[in-house]
Amino acid sequence: NAGVMQNPRHLVRRRGQEARLRCSPMKGHSHVYWYRQLPEEGLKFMVYLQKENIIDESGMPKERFSAEFPKEGPSILRIQQVVRGDSAAYFCASSLGVLEKFFGPGTRLTVL
Amino acid sequence: KQEVTQIPAALSVPEGENLVLNCSFTDSAIYNLQWFRQDPGKGLTSLLLIQSSQREQTSGRLNASLDKSSGRSTLYIAASQPGDSATYLCAVRPVSGANNLFFGTGTRLTVIP
Repeated sequence: NAGVMQNPRHLVRRRGQEARLRCSPMKGHSHVYWYRQLPEEGLKFMVYLQKENIIDESGMPKERFSAEFPKEGPSILRIQQVVRGDSAAYFCASSLGVLEKFFGPGTRLTVL
Repeated sequence: KQEVTQIPAALSVPEGENLVLNCSFTDSAIYNLQWFRQDPGKGLTSLLLIQSSQREQTSGRLNASLDKSSGRSTLYIAASQPGDSATYLCAVRPVSGANNLFFGTGTRLTVIP
């Protein structure tokens, strides 16, 4: 049973471009979470999704950021018009219901 | 709002020593607490999960305790090894709100051979 998969592992974008981060949860997990880890800071919750539904997006910036978890395929975190302050490690986690969360290896986004 | 603090921020110990990492949280209304390990440039590996009704959990050389009323958890590592060098994160899931975790900023552990 593969763990949580994220791709790409590293992503470089220039200011103003779009970044798309993908997350495939563990098999059988229908709950997906996105967290952001800024340099020298702790992980901060961004958004919690179940299949086709956003349950809690209280941690998402109000503009430029969006997330989806379609019926088929991975969850996508999309950042439009990236700025240097978006440079961070973005982690996805999945869980079976409300139980233990398992994290992916992260996508490290660098904005030039 | 839940705040999670980890002390110390960094710790260096010689190989073989037993050590304790501390985690405190401001709101005792938690569902569970989870300890993770993060290696440089890597993801998070779950080490131990303690439900709010539990006092401790053990896995190999690791033992995590939880005192919910005082808002504290400790991670005890016995007979430390160089391979234990990593950043250790604690995270709490509050009872209220959605199913997310509040993380501390971690303790960076270095075990010196």
